[in-house]
Amino acid sequence: EAGVTQSPTHLIKTRGQQATLRCSPISGHTSVYWYQQALGLGLQFLLWYDEGEERNRGNFPPRFSGRQFPNYSSELNVNALELEDSALYLCASSFGAGANVLTFGAGSRLTVL
Amino acid sequence: ILNVEQSPQSLHVQEGDSTNFTCSFPSSNFYALHWYRWETAKSPEALFVMTLNGDEKKKGRISATLNTKEGYSYLYIKGSQPEDSATYLCATSDYKLSFGAGTTVTVRA
Repeated sequence: EAGVTQSPTHLIKTRGQQATLRCSPISGHTSVYWYQQALGLGLQFLLWYDEGEERNRGNFPPRFSGRQFPNYSSELNVNALELEDSALYLCASSFGAGANVLTFGAGSRLTVL
Repeated sequence: ILNVEQSPQSLHVQEGDSTNFTCSFPSSNFYALHWYRWETAKSPEALFVMTLNGDEKKKGRISATLNTKEGYSYLYIKGSQPEDSATYLCATSDYKLSFGAGTTVTVRA
């Protein structure tokens, strides 16, 4: 069984640009979570999608957005990139809604110059 | 306690020694406590999910206990091996997981 896959592995952008990160959950998982790990900080909850709907978002500005597709894959968009957006972005999936055990992807490393 | 806190931030253990570290969390509105292991260059991997006060879980040489009344969980590693080197994360759950900053364990051969 394939795990959670994320792309790209690394992404370099400049300030003001937009970044798009992608995530494919484990087959059968309907919930997708996005987390950010900035340097020196723990995992911060960004967004939760379930059955194609945004269910909740963390304390991040609106320029962080995303969506979930009918096949349950998801993308995270970050607009108007700022230097402090440089971080590891982890996607995780779970079976059903709520905080069940999460299966994480390997992450996408975003660097903003 | 308002958030999930882990201590110590890091620790070094000699191979063969045992160690333990703490996760503290708000005891009100508790639902579940998760432990994850995150090895360098890999994905975080679930170790345990605990829900009941007094719960104890074990996986090989790693075990965890839970005290929901006072809001803490201990994770124990018995007879540490180099492959135990990782960052250990705990998290509380409602609709999402709220993580602590982790305890990074380095096992020295």
